[in-house]
Amino acid sequence: QKEVEQNSGPLSVPEGAIASLNCTYSDRGSQSFFWYRQYSGKSPELIMFIYSNGDKEDGRFTAQLNKASQYVSLLIRDSQPSDSATYLCAVRSGGGADGLTFGKGTHLIIQP
Amino acid sequence: GAGVSQSPRYKVAKRGQDVALRCDPISGHVSLFWYQQALGQGPEFLTYFQNEAQLDKSGLPSDRFFAERPEGSVSTLKIQRTQQEDSAVYLCASSLAGTGLYEQYFGPGTRLTVT
Repeated sequence: QKEVEQNSGPLSVPEGAIASLNCTYSDRGSQSFFWYRQYSGKSPELIMFIYSNGDKEDGRFTAQLNKASQYVSLLIRDSQPSDSATYLCAVRSGGGADGLTFGKGTHLIIQP
Repeated sequence: GAGVSQSPRYKVAKRGQDVALRCDPISGHVSLFWYQQALGQGPEFLTYFQNEAQLDKSGLPSDRFFAERPEGSVSTLKIQRTQQEDSAVYLCASSLAGTGLYEQYFGPGTRLTVT
């Protein structure tokens, strides 16, 4: 069974610091990796996606992928109180299976 | 253009009633997905369409759940004889998947409460 694991938190980070969110996945054949942000009572919002090993940067966000270790991470630089939310890691296995497998999410709190 | 829209946003059903949830994907998106999200959990995949073809329904929890997308655009998720365990937020997402682009964009969801 395909699994995506995240620490549920809460992860508390001071404003202006770097928040580091981690995710591991069980299906070695996974091809695409996504980070969604979900505010309480709202739907998931796509913030980053990564398909190749290495780092991908977009503004204050950096996604890191290590397929050998089956590990994905999201770094948020200069954290702001508005970054406080639940961050969901999602994995697409590929091979015709286009539905995403989500982790349970990490609750991030940015302390002013 | 407009994002994914879903209706109704909230639905209260008595146990045993049938419900129908609607999803209108982003214009031009060929792929459409339904997910179920229980409180405190990540979304769980239910089913997937590419145009009008339902390519994967492996996540539907029982034969009370049925989805269709007859013209390859709007989709309806139907739940027959609702049970309390069906209470959840039902999320629809769409993407250009099939063209090598796999990012999925979610609608606001329908919160279903079965009493």
